[in-house]
Amino acid sequence: DIQMTQSPSSVSASVGDRVTITCRASQDITSWLAWYQQIPGTAPKLLIYAASSLQSGVPSRFSGSGSGTDFTLTINSLQPEDFATYYCQQTDSFPLTFGGGTKVEIK
Amino acid sequence: QVQVVESGGGVVQPGRSLRLSCAASGFTFSLYAMHWVRQAPGKGLEWVAVISYEGYTKYYADSVKGRFTISRDNSKNTLYLEMDSLRTEDTAVYHCAKDWGGPYTLKLIDSWGQGTLVTVSS
Repeated sequence: DIQMTQSPSSVSASVGDRVTITCRASQDITSWLAWYQQIPGTAPKLLIYAASSLQSGVPSRFSGSGSGTDFTLTINSLQPEDFATYYCQQTDSFPLTFGGGTKVEIK
Repeated sequence: QVQVVESGGGVVQPGRSLRLSCAASGFTFSLYAMHWVRQAPGKGLEWVAVISYEGYTKYYADSVKGRFTISRDNSKNTLYLEMDSLRTEDTAVYHCAKDWGGPYTLKLIDSWGQGTLVTVSS
C-alpha cells in the first residue's frame, strides 16, 4: 500500500497569510494526487486533482504542485473560510489512501 | 446539484451486521462509480470501498475485505454497504461519495455526503 505523509499536522496562521502544506508518498505516484478541504461538521470538498488542476468553483488562491513523491498545497492570502483540515489522497492505485490531515488554525 | 444522503447508521454490537444506504440525486447515478469513505471520531479519512458504474468492479480496503460488501441498484439510484462481523474499530462516520469519472474513474472523489454514524459497542 502507498503511505501518504502530511506535514505539518497543524499550522497556525492569520487572515492574509500564505500557508503551505506538504504531502509525501511512499512511492512514485507521478501526478496522481488530490487535495480535499474539510470544515468541521461538514463533508470534505475536492480542491485539487492531478496534483495541480483546480476543481471547478474552487478559488484561485488555492494551488497545488509537485510530482513523483513530493507535493504541495498552497493557500495564498488565507481567508476566514479557509480555516479547516486539509487532506491529500493518492489516486494512483488501490487501496486508495489519504494523508493524516493538516489542520489550519487561526493564530 | 449533486446530492448523496446516507442512512442506516446506529449502534450495533461487535460481531453483528448493519447495512448502510445512500440515496443519490442531481446526477445520472448509473454513469458513475461510487465510494464509501469513513472517518473515526476525531480522526482522519479512510477509504473503504468503490464500485464501478455498472456494479461489476469492486475494490476494498484491506481492513474491511471479506467483511464488507459494496453494491448498488441503478434502478433506485441507491448505493449500499453491507457490513458483517463488525468490530469496535469500525466505529466511524461513513460517507457515501460520487466518483469524478472520466480518466480518474474509480479513484477520484468529487462529491461527498454528510455521512451516517456507525457505533460498534457492547
